[in-house]
Amino acid sequence: EVQLLESGGGLVQPGGSLRLSCAASGFTFSSFAMNWVRQAPGKGLEWVSAIDYSGYNTYYADSVKGRFTISRDNSKNTLSLQMNNLRAEDTANYYCAKQGVGELKHDAFDIWGQGTMVTVSS
Amino acid sequence: DIQMTQSPSSLSASVGDRVTITCRASQSISSYLNWYQQKPGKAPKLLIYAASTLQSGVPPRFSGSGSGTDFTLTISSLQPEDFATYYCQQSYSSRTFGQGTKVEIK
Repeated sequence: EVQLLESGGGLVQPGGSLRLSCAASGFTFSSFAMNWVRQAPGKGLEWVSAIDYSGYNTYYADSVKGRFTISRDNSKNTLSLQMNNLRAEDTANYYCAKQGVGELKHDAFDIWGQGTMVTVSS
Repeated sequence: DIQMTQSPSSLSASVGDRVTITCRASQSISSYLNWYQQKPGKAPKLLIYAASTLQSGVPPRFSGSGSGTDFTLTISSLQPEDFATYYCQQSYSSRTFGQGTKVEIK
């Protein structure tokens, strides 16, 4: 079964750090670009970051650039998101999502995890 | 950055109704437009990619059309399980989502 399982969420104080992980199974992880998408409580979806299949190229939303770092370990089928200098507005459910259908580099997100909640509050 | 605007933000409809949701891009995105469905407490689910290609396993009552800046998602006959929030997403340059359209029971 194709599956993505996020972990690492929790409560953190403003200015603090957190590292999210996403464990992939059921597909050849090293062949696909991966993404993080977040959703604040009661709000819409916001794309956060992407990484290509090799890990060489990374991309970020302006709202997190310079504070978040996306990475992957293809030997362990794991995607990560290091989040530093967290703000209240980073409070959200964070999903990892696999790119996989459509034209390469323009492909849609065909597999999503269940999400992990990050709460930034003092 | 490319902005995506959906309309309406919400709608009320009955089972069996034909429903159309519109998504407009702030610049041309060719056909790099995807549609997702999200139910409360669940992860989004891909419905349509590349503007009009139905994702595997998605019922054919869902269809998509458009190119350039204007796109539509149509549900030909609304079913009870279709009450959800729908998001468009551009994949032309990076990724941006629309603000969502909530489809509620009338």
